[in-house]
Amino acid sequence: DAKTTQPNSMESNEEEPVHLPCNHSTISGTDYIHWYRQLPSQGPEYVIHGLTSNVNNRMASLAIAEDRKSSTLILHRATLRDAAVYYCILRAVFSGGYNKLIFGAGTRLAVHP
Amino acid sequence: DTAVSQTPKYLVTQMGNDKSIKCEQNLGHDTMYWYKQDSKKFLKIMFSYNNKELIINETVPNRFSPKSPDKAHLNLHINSLELGDSAVYFCASSQDLRAGNEKLFFGSGTQLSVL
Repeated sequence: DAKTTQPNSMESNEEEPVHLPCNHSTISGTDYIHWYRQLPSQGPEYVIHGLTSNVNNRMASLAIAEDRKSSTLILHRATLRDAAVYYCILRAVFSGGYNKLIFGAGTRLAVHP
Repeated sequence: DTAVSQTPKYLVTQMGNDKSIKCEQNLGHDTMYWYKQDSKKFLKIMFSYNNKELIINETVPNRFSPKSPDKAHLNLHINSLELGDSAVYFCASSQDLRAGNEKLFFGSGTQLSVL
């Protein structure tokens, strides 16, 4: 399974932008890059995903390197509610064309008032 | 309406007991999953069902038996509970298990404590 590497933790101040990096040097051409986050005492929540081009949605932006070996999740203005563990995940394809989400350790983001 | 709901939220039981966790999704999805999050906070996939058919079984002990009576439900029954089964169990669903761009929707978790 293709692996991702993320920093264990990051800190930010409220109202500032946050750039969460992810390395995935063994990514294959068909792997989508997904980001989920897990708020305290809740289940994981979808944030964004992309394949080759940068993506924007109401929650965040995803910047994907041209060689696709790394990506960055961008929170444009961090709020206290954004304090969570952020997971960068590659969809792993297995037999029959099925795929599964394999979570790594993620990055714990702390947001300070 | 909660999209993916699981019950109970908390489950405290003795070693050796048998217990079940229920999960229901009202999103009309074809695929449902069980994930386990241990004390170190790693989330590991356990099972996946697609249209009531078992697709993924991640070498989970056979004391764990998922049951999918219909597409909207995936229950997890655990026999002879052990201390190491203590964890938070998350149910999830998605429209399709084949599409790489599918989003998963997770429930809020069941915290199982085995004493």
